[in-house]
Amino acid sequence: GQSLEQPSEVTAVEGAIVQINCTYQTSGFYGLSWYQQHDGGAPTFLSYNALDGLEETGRFSSFLSRSDSYGYLLLQELQMKDSASYFCAVHNTDKLIFGTGTRLQVFP
Amino acid sequence: EAQVTQNPRYLITVTGKKLTVTCSQNMNHEYMSWYRQDPGLGLRQIYYSMNVEVTDKGDVPEGYKVSRKEKRNFPLILESPSPNQTSLYFCASSLNRGRHEQYFGPGTRLTVT
Repeated sequence: GQSLEQPSEVTAVEGAIVQINCTYQTSGFYGLSWYQQHDGGAPTFLSYNALDGLEETGRFSSFLSRSDSYGYLLLQELQMKDSASYFCAVHNTDKLIFGTGTRLQVFP
Repeated sequence: EAQVTQNPRYLITVTGKKLTVTCSQNMNHEYMSWYRQDPGLGLRQIYYSMNVEVTDKGDVPEGYKVSRKEKRNFPLILESPSPNQTSLYFCASSLNRGRHEQYFGPGTRLTVT
């Protein structure tokens, strides 16, 4: 079967650093993406990792370990506007399989 | 403005009444896809299309049909909607199968009574 696991909820304060983990089990794997979704909005793309290692884009970084079937999204210098749901998604040939999402709440 | 549009944004219908949700993109993208989002289940892929006249099933295709007659349009058809198809639907597109950033439409909230 295919499954992705991520925590359902994470809380943090403004200015802090938070890490959202994602573990996956899939029959085929081409890469791991991360998406952000604000309440009432559409998902927006954040990052993609095909190879092991860290990808950095501004305050956000994403990491992948293919041998461990594991990745994470790191958000630094948290801001109130970062309060949203975050989804990891596995690229499996031409399909995209999403996790159930992690709700991040940032407090002042 | 580069975008993915969906219509309607909200729809309430009755069981068995055929409906179509339209999706259009103006970015000349080859890859298009439909997802449904349900609480606690995340986004699940219904169908995808890698190019005109090429469509394939995602993880939850039962009860849905799609077509891709033109590159820009990818309508989702529910021939006989049932209450378990009440959901939030998103259309998305990406440049091609190798480009991983997907652009999502605003969503269509469908209620089937």
